[in-house]
Amino acid sequence: SQKIEQNSEALNIQEGKTATLTCNYTNYSPAYLQWYRQDPGRGPVFLLLIRENEKEKRKERLKVTFDTTLKQSLFHITASQPADSATYLCALGKGGGADGLTFGKGTHLIIQP
Amino acid sequence: DTAVSQTPKYLVTQMGNDKSIKCEQNLGHDTMYWYKQDSKKFLKIMFSYNNKELIINETVPNRFSPKSPDKAHLNLHINSLELGDSAVYFCASSHSGGGGDTQYFGPGTRLTVL
Repeated sequence: SQKIEQNSEALNIQEGKTATLTCNYTNYSPAYLQWYRQDPGRGPVFLLLIRENEKEKRKERLKVTFDTTLKQSLFHITASQPADSATYLCALGKGGGADGLTFGKGTHLIIQP
Repeated sequence: DTAVSQTPKYLVTQMGNDKSIKCEQNLGHDTMYWYKQDSKKFLKIMFSYNNKELIINETVPNRFSPKSPDKAHLNLHINSLELGDSAVYFCASSHSGGGGDTQYFGPGTRLTVL
């Protein structure tokens, strides 16, 4: 069955450092991968999209890589700030119409001042 | 203006009751979804609709019935509620539903079945 794993339930990082989150998947051939941020009591908010034929995407302090051979995506937040503390969800899509996303469990990131 | 809104935000009810959750989006999107997030925080797709037509229906009990009166609305009706239905239900929408379109999520409805 399809499986998406995200590294550790909680990740503590010191302010100013780079946070790196991992998303591994098995039994899945995604057409694209997305990262979302979820704050307590709120719905997920889209951050970045990377397609299967792309290796890397950047947006401001965010960077995502996608390795379809390793079946892995890495999500980096550089110059991390306490406001970056949240749960980050990895989501895979097959690319068909009305494509429901398959989400990982998420990594709870805590940026300590 | 709220892009994707859901009502109610909290819903507490007894086992066996029937309840509905409403969702509206003002983004002009063609596709809408329902997701369930359980106590372990797993977010799972339940249904997706494209232009009022059901596209995805994951292995969800038929006690759950989505209804789309128009493109801007997708309601979720649940019959004979069970304890295991307790979760947070999220509605989402996207432009066309394919090719990695951004999905915009509502604030969620926390359903508690007693």
